[in-house]
Amino acid sequence: GAGVSQSPSNKVTEKGKDVELRCDPISGHTALYWYRQSLGQGLEFLIYFQGNSAPDKSGLPSDRFSAERTGGSVSTLTIQRTQQEDSAVYLCASSLSVGAGQPQHFGDGTRLSIL
Amino acid sequence: EDQVTQSPEALRLQEGESSSLNCSYTVSGLRGLFWYRQDPGKGPEFLFTLYSAGEEKEKERLKATLTKKESFLHITAPKPEDSATYLCAVQASGRQGAQKLVFGQGTRLTINP
Repeated sequence: GAGVSQSPSNKVTEKGKDVELRCDPISGHTALYWYRQSLGQGLEFLIYFQGNSAPDKSGLPSDRFSAERTGGSVSTLTIQRTQQEDSAVYLCASSLSVGAGQPQHFGDGTRLSIL
Repeated sequence: EDQVTQSPEALRLQEGESSSLNCSYTVSGLRGLFWYRQDPGKGPEFLFTLYSAGEEKEKERLKATLTKKESFLHITAPKPEDSATYLCAVQASGRQGAQKLVFGQGTRLTINP
């Protein structure tokens, strides 16, 4: 497809379970970003990839959160031992490069609900 | 710490009634200021990038302007389909965090027919 694709679109799971969220960026985009959008919190940066490496993981809220990117394309965000405060929409974005002002193009997100 | 504040939180206008949305920012060094539009259940859609004070960009009924401390999104003669949440974000210079966007809380705009 032409845009950033995320799956699943919705995920409901029980507290304590692990979840994996997937992001397929726009073809040819070298940079990939994960953000979280919670009610009343706005969009928060989690992590960014340049190719397969993650130069900035500063936004990951705890060591339960991890992400990887393989082949310079698809990325997965993994949350272990989920907690209720992890409930949010997880958004992925990609950009053509990391030059100043390069627009980040977003997918429609995964809505995660922890029961 | 880089910060973005948007006002108002919500704005209701009649169709054709022009107005402006405000984005105030503090940043160590500005690499770019971005405006996005977000519809319910969707991801943010890119509108504009502004780089330096005095710059202006236009798209249909929207015009974005930038000063050293704030940006305005002017909407002229809006239509109901312009109803959405408008998000402002900054990208700061510096080794740490030079790629991430720092977002404001958004302005929820409703245009009544």
